[in-house]
Amino acid sequence: EVYLVESGGGLVQPGGSLRLSCAASGFSFSDHYMDWVRQAPGKGLEWVGRTRNKVNIHSTQYAASVNGRFTISRDDSRNVLYLQMHSLKPDDTAVYYCARESECTVANCYRDLDYWGQGILVTVSS
Amino acid sequence: QSVLTQPPSLSGAPGQRVTISCTGSSSNIGAGYDVHWYQQLPGRAPKLLIFGNNNRPSDVPDRFSGSKSGTSASLAIAGLQAEDEADYYCQSYDSTLRDSRVFGGGTKVTVL
Repeated sequence: EVYLVESGGGLVQPGGSLRLSCAASGFSFSDHYMDWVRQAPGKGLEWVGRTRNKVNIHSTQYAASVNGRFTISRDDSRNVLYLQMHSLKPDDTAVYYCARESECTVANCYRDLDYWGQGILVTVSS
Repeated sequence: QSVLTQPPSLSGAPGQRVTISCTGSSSNIGAGYDVHWYQQLPGRAPKLLIFGNNNRPSDVPDRFSGSKSGTSASLAIAGLQAEDEADYYCQSYDSTLRDSRVFGGGTKVTVL
């Protein structure tokens, strides 16, 4: 069974920093691209970014809204995904989800988000 | 303002068929990128419902189906049931955003 469990959320002041973790189990973590997606209170889903697998040198990609402030990293030896957030703004207040991207097959490469964590709330407020 | 446009809400009686549209442009759906659909039950994390335009994961009932044509995609729910009351999101990729993942604004489906 695939499990993704986020931790590290909480209340932080504007301008502050926070690091989220996502512990993965039940699958070969190192083989998968991993994403972060967030959802502001009462709003829709917003993609934050992704880290590719080791074969693709763990390269990262970010949404414009967080580029330069957020950093995604991973520890394949511990099966953990991270989201380091700096210069936080009230607009960053959201539930943050980690999600696994599906693997490519010989026939197709869909890269849908096939498993999601339960989410963790980050509140940016003074 | 989402890159992909969905109706904010839809409703239907039990047993009815409802269809959710997802309208994009030539830089996303129209560029040939795949569309995926996610279901979010109240208070829960999103769940993959349809991948690759029209494929269902093994645990998703065949009442759910997806299609794509031109710059739009659709999710159909046949035989609407009470447990289908949820938010539904389409998702694709956009070439003007360096192939970033983009979501629709979401559609709240209410079962009357």
